[in-house]
Amino acid sequence: DTAVSQTPKYLVTQMGNDKSIKCEQNLGHDTMYWYKQDSKKFLKIMFSYNNKELIINETVPNRFSPKSPDKAHLNLHINSLELGDSAVYFCASRTSGGAEETQYFGPGTRLLVL
Amino acid sequence: AQTVTQSQPEMSVQEAETVTLSCTYDTSESNYYLFWYKQPPSRQMILVIRQEAYKQQNATENRFSVNFQKAAKSFSLKISDSQLGDTAMYFCVIPGGYALNFGKGTSLLVTP
Repeated sequence: DTAVSQTPKYLVTQMGNDKSIKCEQNLGHDTMYWYKQDSKKFLKIMFSYNNKELIINETVPNRFSPKSPDKAHLNLHINSLELGDSAVYFCASRTSGGAEETQYFGPGTRLLVL
Repeated sequence: AQTVTQSQPEMSVQEAETVTLSCTYDTSESNYYLFWYKQPPSRQMILVIRQEAYKQQNATENRFSVNFQKAAKSFSLKISDSQLGDTAMYFCVIPGGYALNFGKGTSLLVTP
């Protein structure tokens, strides 16, 4: 009964490849997020998405694109992977419009680009 | 813009002792939430405690409590009776714009 799940947990790939990370939440939330955690453990927002609006952090390269087939899923597609994309990627979700603002995180996907 | 500063990159504490992790922040909001998340070696991001800024009373969750000083924009986390399982990276977090703003974290090591 995992609340926010991500697959895969580990991803090792070659530079230049295209890969996807999947995220699913069963909390009934309508806003989902992708964060990137770098080697120094710093977390930074990449995208925020609900069924009305996609907000993109302007520092995120356009090789990264979120795709949401429905409210419970927000997948992350990465084209032409680069060495600097190696990081841990976290999906998160919360209910929008509420006062609480608590976000619930998936277990993370460790991406290693060789 | 919201910013979060954690001035202690690393701390250690002995089992059963008490430790306090510091956090200061900046925000232009009048009402907001503050959070502490922990990230153990398993990598999972876990909510420890949250505080609503308009509430005077400091939040408490079992062995975890906060000292929230709104005027000083300070939000420290106290862990009482530290346990080995508390070893983790702790992040002070404030919502800002459309997402959460994380501090750089404090790596806490609990030793036997």
